[in-house]
Amino acid sequence: GENVEQHPSTLSVQEGDSAVIKCTYSDSASNYFPWYKQELGKRPQLIIDIRSNVGEKKDQRIAVTLNKTAKHFSLHITETQPEDSAVYFCAASMKAGGTSYGKLTFGQGTILTVHP
Amino acid sequence: GAVVSQHPSRVICKSGTSVKIECRSLDFQATTMFWYRQFPKQSLMLMATSNEGSKATYEQGVEKDKFLINHASLTLSTLTVTSAHPEDSSFYICSATQGRNEQFFGPGTRLTVL
Repeated sequence: GENVEQHPSTLSVQEGDSAVIKCTYSDSASNYFPWYKQELGKRPQLIIDIRSNVGEKKDQRIAVTLNKTAKHFSLHITETQPEDSAVYFCAASMKAGGTSYGKLTFGQGTILTVHP
Repeated sequence: GAVVSQHPSRVICKSGTSVKIECRSLDFQATTMFWYRQFPKQSLMLMATSNEGSKATYEQGVEKDKFLINHASLTLSTLTVTSAHPEDSSFYICSATQGRNEQFFGPGTRLTVL
């Protein structure tokens, strides 16, 4: 099955700095890569996702890059703010349908702390 | 749109009892629902995939006789933790999908087994 590795496990930055979180995946059939932000005791919140037919996607201060050949993708947060502090998870899945049903495999998570 | 609810949000039970958790898609019909478990400071681990009208598909290591899943309709799936023990205490989260990749997550249920 799919295996997703995420680094670093913790990341501490000063307000205004950039933060980068990296993930690798094992199954070349995976084609959907979402990123989630989770606050303590809350549900995961989708912040950005990318599909395998593009290499980069940006939404304001957040961007994701995908390298299919190397099987890795990264989350970039610019101009970080204290409210960005949370746990971030990457995930990977194959196209929904058939026996896969689009199930997600999550990375281990990164605790991001943005210091004012 | 794409709202998923879970009930209850918190439950405390005695060891040996059973607990039922409901997951509902409120404004869409979910072709598939997923159940995850999340222990403190850990990632979400998929327990099972549920499709309406068919048996759930469990991930390796998840006991299907302990975690009963019933997907009664396109908007409702239930997870029953049977004979719960303290090691079953966890945060249980469901998600639903409309047949595409994006999953919509419920708010989670905090289960504490005494």
